[in-house]
Amino acid sequence: DTGVSQDPRHKITKRGQNVTFRCDPISEHNRLYWYRQTLGQGPEFLTYFQNEAQLEKSRLLSDRFSAERPKGSFSTLEIQRTEQGDSAMYLCASSPNGRSYEQYFGPGTRLTVT
Amino acid sequence: DQQVKQNSPSLSVQEGRISILNCDYTNSMFDYFLWYKKYPAEGPTFLISISSIKDKNEDGRFTVFLNKSAKHLSLHIVPSQPGDSAVYFCAARRITQGGSEKLVFGKGTKLTVNP
Repeated sequence: DTGVSQDPRHKITKRGQNVTFRCDPISEHNRLYWYRQTLGQGPEFLTYFQNEAQLEKSRLLSDRFSAERPKGSFSTLEIQRTEQGDSAMYLCASSPNGRSYEQYFGPGTRLTVT
Repeated sequence: DQQVKQNSPSLSVQEGRISILNCDYTNSMFDYFLWYKKYPAEGPTFLISISSIKDKNEDGRFTVFLNKSAKHLSLHIVPSQPGDSAVYFCAARRITQGGSEKLVFGKGTKLTVNP
């Protein structure tokens, strides 16, 4: 039983460039979440999908951020015109029906904006 | 505002002894509480959860206690092992009026178990 996978694990980009991250949840998990973690902080909620529907976006998610989950399977998170403040670990999690409170996290994508 | 607080940034215990990690919360709408363990350069690993209607849940060496009146929960690890050394995050789940679910995390406590 594979866990949540994320790609890439590390991304270094120059300010102003666009980046896209991918998350593959645990199969049959219909709920998918994106979080962001910076140094010394706990993960902060960004957005939530139930199947393919995006049900909530945090106010942390500016207009430069967009997330999709086509067909309710994998998800992508895109950041346009990256800024140095976007440097963080981006975490994806999924949870199953019946125990949706148990969120299982992937290894994260470490983004560095230079 | 910090709805979930872990006031101890670090904790050091001897192998074989009990580790007690504490967490306080302010929002009465949280319905589940969870503990995660995190190693460097990895995502958080789910450890144990407790419903807001329970006061104790046990899984092997890990026990979580919930005191709803005090808005306080704790994670007990007995006996502590060197492999337990990691950052532990307390998290609380909230379901919004729109049906969205999210976890709110504390800042974490770094546990070091000395051999």
